[in-house]
Amino acid sequence: GAGVSQSPSNKVTEKGKDVELRCDPISGHTALYWYRQSLGQGLEFLIYFQGNSAPDKSGLPSDRFSAERTGGSVSTLTIQRTQQEDSAVYLCASSLIGSGGPSTQYFGPGTRLLVL
Amino acid sequence: SQKIEQNSEALNIQEGKTATLTCNYTNYSPAYLQWYRQDPGRGPVFLLLIRENEKEKRKERLKVTFDTTLKQSLFHITASQPADSATYLCALDHTGGFKTIFGAGTRLFVKA
Repeated sequence: GAGVSQSPSNKVTEKGKDVELRCDPISGHTALYWYRQSLGQGLEFLIYFQGNSAPDKSGLPSDRFSAERTGGSVSTLTIQRTQQEDSAVYLCASSLIGSGGPSTQYFGPGTRLLVL
Repeated sequence: SQKIEQNSEALNIQEGKTATLTCNYTNYSPAYLQWYRQDPGRGPVFLLLIRENEKEKRKERLKVTFDTTLKQSLFHITASQPADSATYLCALDHTGGFKTIFGAGTRLFVKA
């Protein structure tokens, strides 16, 4: 596909369950980002990958959140023991990173997570 | 701490007028500033990027200014159209920075 894809598009889960969110970046993009957006709020940075490594995990809200990226492509964001406050839209973006260049990001449509 | 401020109140303008949105930042020295558009239910879409050594950038009906002294960027849409109605986000980046910081966005409504 030409753009960033995310699945599922919507997820309803019960409090305490684990969820996995998937992101397929644009082919060839080395950088991948996860953000969280609550209703009417801005984007909250969660984690960034360069290749398969995550040099910046500072945005993960708690140890219930983890993410991995394999093969420099697909990434999975996992939320364990979900809480109601985890309800939000989770956005993934990818970009080309040149040496010292700006990271214009291409976003997926997001996964809307609702924790009941 | 680093902070980006965008007007949280929605901007309502009449079709054909120029819309001006403001982005202010503190405790930050960005090398780049970007503007994104976000429609309801969708991810943000990149519009324009301006570097710290550029004062102004234009693209079709869009114009962005960047004043590193005032720590402010202005985003203008000339000859606005109802299709321009969306939320507009500004985002800041360091040189080679991999952690882009986004503002909360300003909602624009263009009335026909």
